[in-house]
Amino acid sequence: AQKVTQAQTEISVVEKEDVTLDCVYETRDTTYYLFWYKQPPSGELVFLIRRNSFDEQNEISGRYSWNFQKSTSSFNFTITASQVVDSAVYFCALTPTRGSTLGRLYFGRGTQLTVWP
Amino acid sequence: DTEVTQTPKHLVMGMTNKKSLKCEQHMGHRAMYWYKQKAKKPPELMFVYSYEKLSINESVPSRFSPECPNSSLLNLHLHALQPEDSALYLCASSRSGLAGGTDTQYFGPGTRLTVL
Repeated sequence: AQKVTQAQTEISVVEKEDVTLDCVYETRDTTYYLFWYKQPPSGELVFLIRRNSFDEQNEISGRYSWNFQKSTSSFNFTITASQVVDSAVYFCALTPTRGSTLGRLYFGRGTQLTVWP
Repeated sequence: DTEVTQTPKHLVMGMTNKKSLKCEQHMGHRAMYWYKQKAKKPPELMFVYSYEKLSINESVPSRFSPECPNSSLLNLHLHALQPEDSALYLCASSRSGLAGGTDTQYFGPGTRLTVL
């Protein structure tokens, strides 16, 4: 069974604060991919990152960084110096690499991030 | 270019109407998806087409009828919908067919459907 938990339902910060969005997952598969998507009020899901379970290197892209820790089954997302445009719902998702669940994205419930000016 | 387009952006329909949602991608992707998303919930998978063949149907009611006329186009035909079917309908595509089902799914902007 695949499960993704985003325990933070809503987070509010003031502009320029750093914020970390948590993602914890459960899977029996030894290989899988993890994703983060951003969904602004307009509705489109915007792809942010895809990470192979074999690759535990942290990644940084501008103000965004991701911390993947297989030992704790977590794939956390940090936004540094947040901006109002970062306000959105952020989804963490997992897809296995084999079996009948191949091709399915298992989403967490999402975290609503609000950045105040 | 990772663009998936969807039309219309908004749709209001009565329970007796027949309407269609359209999704298009020109990235050469071989898998296309329909998702339904209710407010404050994650997207729920409805259908997956792989190489223009229906590969996954998540037990969706028959009032939703998908169609994949060619590798770039995906339709969702709607008939006799219920008010609880009101939602955001998202289309997505990914590079490989289901055999490469770990590829990134790129989403369109969605169609906001209201059923009266």
